[in-house]
Amino acid sequence: EAGVAQSPRYKIIEKRQSVAFWCNPISGHATLYWYQQILGQGPKLLIQFQNNGVVDDSQLPKDRFSAERLKGVDSTLKIQPAKLEDSAVYLCASSLELAGGGGTDTQYFGPGTRLTVL
Amino acid sequence: AQKITQTQPGMFVQEKEAVTLDCTYDTSDQSYGLFWYKQPSSGEMIFLIYQGSYDEQNATEGRYSLNFQKARKSANLVISASQLGDSAMYFCAMREQSTGNQFYFGTGTSLTVIP
Repeated sequence: EAGVAQSPRYKIIEKRQSVAFWCNPISGHATLYWYQQILGQGPKLLIQFQNNGVVDDSQLPKDRFSAERLKGVDSTLKIQPAKLEDSAVYLCASSLELAGGGGTDTQYFGPGTRLTVL
Repeated sequence: AQKITQTQPGMFVQEKEAVTLDCTYDTSDQSYGLFWYKQPSSGEMIFLIYQGSYDEQNATEGRYSLNFQKARKSANLVISASQLGDSAMYFCAMREQSTGNQFYFGTGTSLTVIP
């Protein structure tokens, strides 16, 4: 079974530029998550999708971050314009169950995209 | 209040010895899941082990076991026979049914295995 795919693996941009990340979850997984992980910290949830609907985006800085999952499969996360403090690893994860299905489902993570903003 | 607390920023263990990484959690849900992930320097998050709130037996997966003490809200990870490849960050996480299965992560413990 193929794992969660992410691209690119690394990205270096200058502040005020735009950047987009792509994620393809494990086949059949209904729920998709985007996390931001700043060096030395645990992952912070940015947005959670159930199929193509948003379940939770309370910690997404909506003035500059956007995400979509149009067909309920793959997803893109965009930052426009980027700031220095956006330098982090952006992790995508997926899980099989729908939201509210019980506390048993496991999230599987992709390799992450390491973003450096200069 | 923190949902997940990992009080050990860094730990050292001798190769072939066992090590316990601490994790406490905070929830009022009856149904929840506890997870441990390993994050090597490459950055990927690798699922290690899961414990459900209704499971009476401690979870085990190879050299990993989870010491689940429900009354103390504790879910410590035990790694037996440490190997050099175990050197990594380890994150404890919890998933609550009441919050739509959102994951809460701790701040992590950096484990270094000494040859």
